[in-house]
Amino acid sequence: GPKVLQIPSHQIIDMGQMVTLNCDPVSNHLYFYWYKQILGQQMEFLVNFYNGKVMEKSKLFKDQFSVERPDGSYFTLKIQPTALEDSAVYFCASSLGQGNNQAPLFGEGTRLSVL
Amino acid sequence: GDSVTQTEGQVALSEEDFLTIHCNYSASGYPTLFWYVQYPGEGPQLLFRASRDKEKGSSRGFEATYDKGTTSFHLRKASVQESDSAVYYCALSDSNNNNAPRFGAGTKLSVKP
Repeated sequence: GPKVLQIPSHQIIDMGQMVTLNCDPVSNHLYFYWYKQILGQQMEFLVNFYNGKVMEKSKLFKDQFSVERPDGSYFTLKIQPTALEDSAVYFCASSLGQGNNQAPLFGEGTRLSVL
Repeated sequence: GDSVTQTEGQVALSEEDFLTIHCNYSASGYPTLFWYVQYPGEGPQLLFRASRDKEKGSSRGFEATYDKGTTSFHLRKASVQESDSAVYYCALSDSNNNNAPRFGAGTKLSVKP
């Protein structure tokens, strides 16, 4: 079936550096999401994106975070600069619609380790 | 804001036991409710969703019924298997505003053979 691909599966960077997490969503999906999961804890919503714009974001989506999907390619989450508390697994998801219409399909996550 | 509460953090059962994981929600109107399952090292996978009162979702032997009266969407399975060991998340999407799903704290299910 369709899959959301996240590359790479693990990324290690030094605190203060910039990192870009890449997500290849399902090709005909229109809504895109990022969630954050600290090890052993619950899934926390960060942001969702539609038609080139952020639709909603949570308090966890700090000013250092940004998302984009240039020209229908990868949906990216950029963190600049990174902080130690950004260490977590970041899950990308996509869906054809929202609410009643569709449930987000999740990727397998990118583990980000900030040293 | 809208939220879901899962009361059990961990559940330990033996194979063929009956499973109930409780999920209660707080929201106005008729939110869409989801159950997701997450295996170690993977992303959450949708089990099923429901969006109307008394609607029943089911998949892989799991089921839950949307109950607006008790604001609940409890997950049940008649006979669990070791392979069902995973973390189960109840989630909610406010249909009025088409918000992204918000997840509960999750329930870790461990099934002994």
